[in-house]
Amino acid sequence: GENVEQHPSTLSVQEGDSAVIKCTYSDSASNYFPWYKQELGKRPQLIIDIRSNVGEKKDQRIAVTLNKTAKHFSLHITETQPEDSAVYFCAEVDSSYKLIFGSGTRLLVRP
Amino acid sequence: GAGVSQSPSNKVTEKGKDVELRCDPISGHTALYWYRQSLGQGLEFLIYFQGNSAPDKSGLPSDRFSAERTGGSVSTLTIQRTQQEDSAVYLCASSYRQGTSNTEAFFGQGTRLTVV
Repeated sequence: GENVEQHPSTLSVQEGDSAVIKCTYSDSASNYFPWYKQELGKRPQLIIDIRSNVGEKKDQRIAVTLNKTAKHFSLHITETQPEDSAVYFCAEVDSSYKLIFGSGTRLLVRP
Repeated sequence: GAGVSQSPSNKVTEKGKDVELRCDPISGHTALYWYRQSLGQGLEFLIYFQGNSAPDKSGLPSDRFSAERTGGSVSTLTIQRTQQEDSAVYLCASSYRQGTSNTEAFFGQGTRLTVV
């Protein structure tokens, strides 16, 4: 069935360093890949997304890359700040338009 | 309303009782999802409604769980004979489908269910 694998499960970086989170998917027909950030006690919110017709997308300190051939996509956060600390979820919309999430990455940015 | 609304925000129920959780999606959104999130865990898919199509119930953990969506808008998730392991935050999300792709999914604030 549909599956999104996400790594690592936890990530600790020093403020100012970069953070990278990687996901793989199995449905080759998937065409939409959003990333959500969930702060403690709050609902998940979209931070960036990418569609299958592009390979990279940037928004200030955040970027996402997509490799359709290898079926993996990654989130890159540069110049990390303490407020980036949260749980990040990758997701895919599969061929049945169902939104499936990865298991999440808990990011801690140390001041 | 401007966003996805869920009610109640919190629900404490006794083991064995039935509960109903409600979700009001964003007006015009054709897709509606239910997820379950246990403490410190990920987003477990439960059920997905898309327009007038038959719902995808593949994530429902047992036959005690059911959901319906009336008139393509409001959805109710029902848990019968609740068990302690049902305790979690239940999140609803909605999105709009354009052609062959969905747009951003927006989440409600969730219903925190505690079974005692």
